[in-house]
Amino acid sequence: EDKVVQSPLSLVVHEGDTVTLNCSYEVTNFRSLLWYKQEKKAPTFLFMLTSSGIEKKSGRLSSILDKKELFSILNITATQTGDSAVYLCAAKTGANNLFFGTGTRLTVIP
Amino acid sequence: DVKVTQSSRYLVKRTGEKVFLECVQDMDHENMFWYRQDPGLGLRLIYFSYDVKMKEKGDIPEGYSVSREKKERFSLILESASTNQTSMYLCASSLGEAFFGQGTRLTVV
Repeated sequence: EDKVVQSPLSLVVHEGDTVTLNCSYEVTNFRSLLWYKQEKKAPTFLFMLTSSGIEKKSGRLSSILDKKELFSILNITATQTGDSAVYLCAAKTGANNLFFGTGTRLTVIP
Repeated sequence: DVKVTQSSRYLVKRTGEKVFLECVQDMDHENMFWYRQDPGLGLRLIYFSYDVKMKEKGDIPEGYSVSREKKERFSLILESASTNQTSMYLCASSLGEAFFGQGTRLTVV
């Protein structure tokens, strides 16, 4: 059975802290791993990772994929209250299906 | 910018009604998806379509059907709405990454 598991389920940190969000996956015919940020309604795209070991970076956010161990991490440095959101990861398969994890709810306290 | 538009932000329907949720994308994507999102359960795939008139069941297709008559439009149909279908419904289209609509919060009373 295809599955994507995220941890922790929720996380509360203070502004300025660094956080690491985890995503492990087991899917048939894996193609890529995607990260999304969901604040109110629709998830917005952050990263798509296809190759192992290559870090993708956007400002204070970065992510990396390990295809051998079947996981990805999303790092956020110097967190701000605006980073408070649910972070979703999804594994994309060769059938173009997207399997989502349940998400990690991050709360950043001023 | 890719735009995915869902026809309604909020809907309230009665049990037994037939409900149509419409989704339109403007980037000529072949793949379109319907998800529902419930607290603690994340995003669950209802149906997806990889081409006009082509559809595949996702994880929770029971009680739903879909229609893809044109490439840009993917409709989700609740044949006879029930209270356990109260949820947030998200449509997405993709080429590489998926782009989401703003969601429809459906309440079935």
